[in-house]
Amino acid sequence: QVHLEESGGGGVQPGRSLRLSCVASGFTFSNYGMHWVRQAPGKGLEWVAVIWYDGSSQFYADSVQGRFTISRDNSKNILYLQMNSLRAEDTAVYYCARPHFDHSSSAADYWGQGTLVTVSS
Amino acid sequence: QSALTQPASVSGSPGQSITISCTATSSNVGGYNSVSWYQQHPGKAPKLMIYDVSNRPSGVSDRFSGTKSGNTASLTISGLQAEDEADYYCSSYTSRRTWFGGGTKLTV
Repeated sequence: QVHLEESGGGGVQPGRSLRLSCVASGFTFSNYGMHWVRQAPGKGLEWVAVIWYDGSSQFYADSVQGRFTISRDNSKNILYLQMNSLRAEDTAVYYCARPHFDHSSSAADYWGQGTLVTVSS
Repeated sequence: QSALTQPASVSGSPGQSITISCTATSSNVGGYNSVSWYQQHPGKAPKLMIYDVSNRPSGVSDRFSGTKSGNTASLTISGLQAEDEADYYCSSYTSRRTWFGGGTKLTV
C-alpha cells in the first residue's frame, strides 16, 4: 500500500537551514508529481511547493520562493525540501503528499504523517 | 486573506445534513473543475474526501458530496455522525500551484 514518511524536522534558529525528506513506497514514485504542504500550529493548511513527476519543473508559494527548494530522487523514491533562511513564520508541521492522478498536480489522496519544524532563537 | 473563502464554523445534529461553502475570490484560482475537499481530525493528516468538484475517492462514504455553481463550491455531508466532527478544507489547483481555503470547523 501507499506509504509516505517524512523526516528531518526539528528545532532550528532563525536564518539557519534544514532539509526534509519524504520516503515513498507502494507506488511508482517516478510517475507522480509530489507536493509539500505545511500547517502552522493551530492554523490552516498552506501549500508550499510542487515538483513534477520527472523533476523537470518546480513551483513554490510566494512565501517560500527563493528560500526553499523542492527536489526528488526517483532512483531512491525520495522527495526533499531544502529550507534556507528559515523564519519564525516557517514553524509548522510539514507534510508530503501524493496527487490522486499520476503525471499531474491534482488533489492529494495520500499524505505522510508530517514532521514538525520549529524555528526559534 | 485566502483566495478561497470558507465559513469559520458550521454545526449540525446527528442525522442532519450540513453544507460548507467555498468561494473563490479571484478568477485565477485553479481550474474550473479542480476543486477538492479535505477532512482533518486533530493531530492527523488531511484526508481527501472529494476531488474534481464531485468525485469521491475509493472508501469515502457516499454521505459526502460536492457541487459547484459559478465561483462557489459546496461540500454537503448528509446523515451527520459524531465522527464527522473535524476541520474541512476546500482546495483548488493548477499544474503550477495549489490553494487552500481557511478551513471550516464542523461541530456535530
